[in-house]
Amino acid sequence: EAGVVQSPRYKIIEKKQPVAFWCNPISGHNTLYWYLQNLGQGPELLIRYENEEAVDDSQLPKDRFSAERLKGVDSTLKIQPAELGDSAVYLCASSSGQGIAKNIQYFGAGTRLSVL
Amino acid sequence: GNSVTQMEGPVTLSEEAFLTINCTYTATGYPSLFWYVQYPGEGLQLLLKATKADDKGSNKGFEATYRKETTSFHLEKGSVQVSDSAVYFCALSDQGYSTLTFGKGTMLLVSP
Repeated sequence: EAGVVQSPRYKIIEKKQPVAFWCNPISGHNTLYWYLQNLGQGPELLIRYENEEAVDDSQLPKDRFSAERLKGVDSTLKIQPAELGDSAVYLCASSSGQGIAKNIQYFGAGTRLSVL
Repeated sequence: GNSVTQMEGPVTLSEEAFLTINCTYTATGYPSLFWYVQYPGEGLQLLLKATKADDKGSNKGFEATYRKETTSFHLEKGSVQVSDSAVYFCALSDQGYSTLTFGKGTMLLVSP
């Protein structure tokens, strides 16, 4: 079974440019998460989806960040325009959202963004 | 709000040494507790978990016991290997919710 797939693995852009990250969760996982991981820090939640509905986006900076999960499967996270402080690793995770496995999240390898 | 505090790293050990990485938490109610591991260039992997007080999670020789009285979930391993070198994250989630709150991570470096 394939794990959580993210692309690209690395992205280098100049400030004020747009950028997008893609995530394909584990098949059958209804819950999808986007996390931001700054250097030397633990991941912090940006947004959580239950199927196609964003149920927790309180930490998403909505002036420049947006996300979508149109068909309740894969998801895209966008930044427009990017700022120097956005340089970080963006992690996607998924969970089945059911029963005892509800709290077990499976993570992708992440996208490392460098804004110059 | 919820928070997780881990000992700062790096923790540097020789192969076969005993490992302890301290983790304490602040949360309302009865959270579930987790240890995740991140190897270089890879995503986070669940190492072990515990869902209620006095539960012991274990995997690959690592253990952690959910101590409600001290709000702790310390990670231990009796004999570390070079392949255990990685960053270890302690995390919690509220019962009934799935969002994780992570600590800052502790880097472990094991030398031959």
